[in-house]
Amino acid sequence: GAGVSQSPRYKVAKRGQDVALRCDPISGHVSLFWYQQALGQGPEFLTYFQNEAQLDKSGLPSDRFFAERPEGSVSTLKIQRTQQEDSAVYLCASSSGLAGVRPETQYFGPGTRLLVL
Amino acid sequence: LAKTTQPISMDSYEGQEVNITCSHNNIATNDYITWYQQFPSQGPRFIIQGYKTKVTNEVASLFIPADRKSSTLSLPRVSLSDTAVYYCLVGDRGGADGLTFGKGTHLIIQP
Repeated sequence: GAGVSQSPRYKVAKRGQDVALRCDPISGHVSLFWYQQALGQGPEFLTYFQNEAQLDKSGLPSDRFFAERPEGSVSTLKIQRTQQEDSAVYLCASSSGLAGVRPETQYFGPGTRLLVL
Repeated sequence: LAKTTQPISMDSYEGQEVNITCSHNNIATNDYITWYQQFPSQGPRFIIQGYKTKVTNEVASLFIPADRKSSTLSLPRVSLSDTAVYYCLVGDRGGADGLTFGKGTHLIIQP
């Protein structure tokens, strides 16, 4: 596709349920990022992949959050035993990953809105 | 990471020029200034990026004074569809770094 896609767009989960959120980055993009956006706030970084390697997971809020990108393309963010405070929009972004001196443009998907009841 | 400060909200009218200023007093030598735009129910979208002086593209202009402690995003002749949240980000080569967003400026354009 032409852009980053995410699925599902909306997810309602009961507290304690596990969820999996999918991201399809732009084809050929090396770098992939996950962000969490609470209502009225800017996106907050969760984790970063370069191809299949997870190079930074410093933003993951707890060990209930797990992300993978096994073949270096599609990525899945999994949240185990969801809590109400996990309710947010989860955004995925990708970039080409080409080395350079300036920050790369990140291309964002539409996000998955997660509501935990 | 350099901290940024920008107004929480602004409003203007269709056809006007809108200037959103961002303060970044602690900007480092290697840092660039990047602006993203976010519409409701969408992810942020890159608008413009600069290092110093002035940058212009088909969407906006970015003015950066010599001391680089602030920057101004200029949107010419806004329309209703420019109503969005605008984020100012400061950072260096960020291919491997997650972006650091603040709360952004909620721009509301009225008819």
